[in-house]
Amino acid sequence: AAGVIQSPRHLIKEKRETATLKCYPIPRHDTVYWYQQGPGQDPQFLISFYEKMQSDKGSIPDRFSAQQFSDYHSELNMSSLELGDSALYFCASSLGAGYTDTQYFGPGTRLTVL
Amino acid sequence: KQEVTQIPAALSVPEGENLVLNCSFTDSAIYNLQWFRQDPGKGLTSLLLIQSSQREQTSGRLNASLDKSSGRSTLYIAASQPGDSATYLCAVHQAGTALIFGKGTTLSVSS
Repeated sequence: AAGVIQSPRHLIKEKRETATLKCYPIPRHDTVYWYQQGPGQDPQFLISFYEKMQSDKGSIPDRFSAQQFSDYHSELNMSSLELGDSALYFCASSLGAGYTDTQYFGPGTRLTVL
Repeated sequence: KQEVTQIPAALSVPEGENLVLNCSFTDSAIYNLQWFRQDPGKGLTSLLLIQSSQREQTSGRLNASLDKSSGRSTLYIAASQPGDSATYLCAVHQAGTALIFGKGTTLSVSS
């Protein structure tokens, strides 16, 4: 079965650079979530989209922005990168607003900021 | 603010043993609770989802229970195998946010 696709899988950036992470949800899934997992930490919710509109917002820094496109894929844009942004970034998708549906996670993008 | 706690933080058992992982949450106003498995440096694999109206869910050797009123969930793993070694995370979903995770229980099953 098709799963959530994230690209790139690994990304190395310098401080103050920008990065764009992409997420392709499972076909027919209309809800996308972004999570950040720092080293040795549990995943923290950043932001979510339902039907191309922002639905909920978590601890996303102002330096980050995200959107969901007409084909339901989503992009997380990160600017003025800091060392503390180094983490594993997960995208998850679900069918519907997700309140009753399983969230399926992608393999993650490992971002390293030098 | 919702807080999710998992006990124990780490667990080592010999192969074949049955075991229970615990998860507790402070706010019972949840939509559902989901158990995940995470291998080191890898993604999250969904194991079981329990709706707030349900008491338990089963999948193979896994059984998850939910007592929403007391803010507790357990994940029971029967006849553990070395391949079960991983970190197990529970997460709750409530209004206004997405999943709120516990810090996980790292399980090691020795052969």
